[in-house]
Amino acid sequence: GAGVSQSPSNKVTEKGKDVELRCDPISGHTALYWYRQSLGQGLEFLIYFQGNSAPDKSGLPSDRFSAERTGGSVSTLTIQRTQQEDSAVYLCASSQQGSGPGEQFFGPGTRLTVL
Amino acid sequence: QKEVEQDPGPLSVPEGAIVSLNCTYSNSAFQYFMWYRQYSRKGPELLMYTYSSGNKEDGRFTAQVDKSSKYISLFIRDSQPSDSATYLCAMSPYTDKLIFGTGTRLQVFP
Repeated sequence: GAGVSQSPSNKVTEKGKDVELRCDPISGHTALYWYRQSLGQGLEFLIYFQGNSAPDKSGLPSDRFSAERTGGSVSTLTIQRTQQEDSAVYLCASSQQGSGPGEQFFGPGTRLTVL
Repeated sequence: QKEVEQDPGPLSVPEGAIVSLNCTYSNSAFQYFMWYRQYSRKGPELLMYTYSSGNKEDGRFTAQVDKSSKYISLFIRDSQPSDSATYLCAMSPYTDKLIFGTGTRLQVFP
């Protein structure tokens, strides 16, 4: 079946602009995660949605970052007033409820470049 | 100090060699340990998954966890050029949030 998809695959924007990144999880997966991967860094957790529970936003680096998940499926990560340090690959992952930590399936990522 | 430490490499080995990749960690609450493989410009994919201490083998891959030393390893036997990728360790306590290492870039040359 189809895996996790993300769009756009690449995004170049100017400093100060807002961007929206989209994630389509695997059908039936109730958990959805956003990570950020910067050059030379590991994956940095940003936010986690599980079913109808309140999202875990503990990894969001500033209030310029927000995410929503509509209808328990598609998720959008929004970065307002982008800064150059926001340049990174943003990865989305999904997993089935009860599958245990670690069994996350990743999308190909969105490569964000802020000029 | 980071919760998970991993040598970024690159590690360059000839085809057929045995590869050893390692991570150390500081949080004794970690119970779940994973290895992900990430090819260039792709998302990570789960390679090995272990719970608590011990060894797990899957084909050419063996994962080891030593909780007393807070040290985990991934061994690749008979390495192939197609194994060239970045290998990320990840770990978690009883939650769904994973803490990742920075990844080790592996190059296997023919």
